[in-house]
Amino acid sequence: AQTVTQSQPEMSVQEAETVTLSCTYDTSESDYYLFWYKQPPSRQMILVIRQEAYKQQNATENRFSVNFQKAAKSFSLKISDSQLGDAAMYFCAYRSPRAGANSKLTFGKGITLSVRP
Amino acid sequence: GAVVSQHPSRVICKSGTSVKIECRSLDFQATTMFWYRQFPKKSLMLMATSNEGSKATYEQGVEKDKFLINHASLTLSTLTVTSAHPEDSSFYICSARDRLAPQETQYFGPGTRLLVL
Repeated sequence: AQTVTQSQPEMSVQEAETVTLSCTYDTSESDYYLFWYKQPPSRQMILVIRQEAYKQQNATENRFSVNFQKAAKSFSLKISDSQLGDAAMYFCAYRSPRAGANSKLTFGKGITLSVRP
Repeated sequence: GAVVSQHPSRVICKSGTSVKIECRSLDFQATTMFWYRQFPKKSLMLMATSNEGSKATYEQGVEKDKFLINHASLTLSTLTVTSAHPEDSSFYICSARDRLAPQETQYFGPGTRLLVL
């Protein structure tokens, strides 16, 4: 079974600075999807970024980018120019393409990010 | 983007009563919907996967008679917590996958906060 590990429970960053959230995973599959979700105090889960394992290029979405190291099974999220609105809980997640529409997301434990003004 | 709604957003009920939570995909058809439970500052725990027109698949340790799931149409799934007890108090989140893009992203509802007195 796949596992997702987020070893840091909390992190803090100064506004306008850059922060990196780490995530590692374990799988025997060669093709899969990786995600970072943000859950602000409203508790609405928001997709931040998505990476397909077969793509070597790291995904980017504006101030958010990932460092995907497939061999090391590492998928870290970098937030540049941190803003107060980035304060939230962040979850790393894995999904296998097997089982099609029924394939489940496996979540890490999450990390709480605070942004200091 | 795709929108998933949940109703009610919060509910307070007496111990022993049943509570129904609705999950709707508003602008897409969802063959598959997922129900999660989340405790404060914790990760999402998958309870069950529901497919339109068939029985839900429950995760290990989740009582199917306690948490009844009905996926009656391509846009609606319901979770009924039967004979609720204080330990059922939690945050319940649903998510849905677009029928036309089953390999694509899951979209999450805003969650329902259940408090059982």
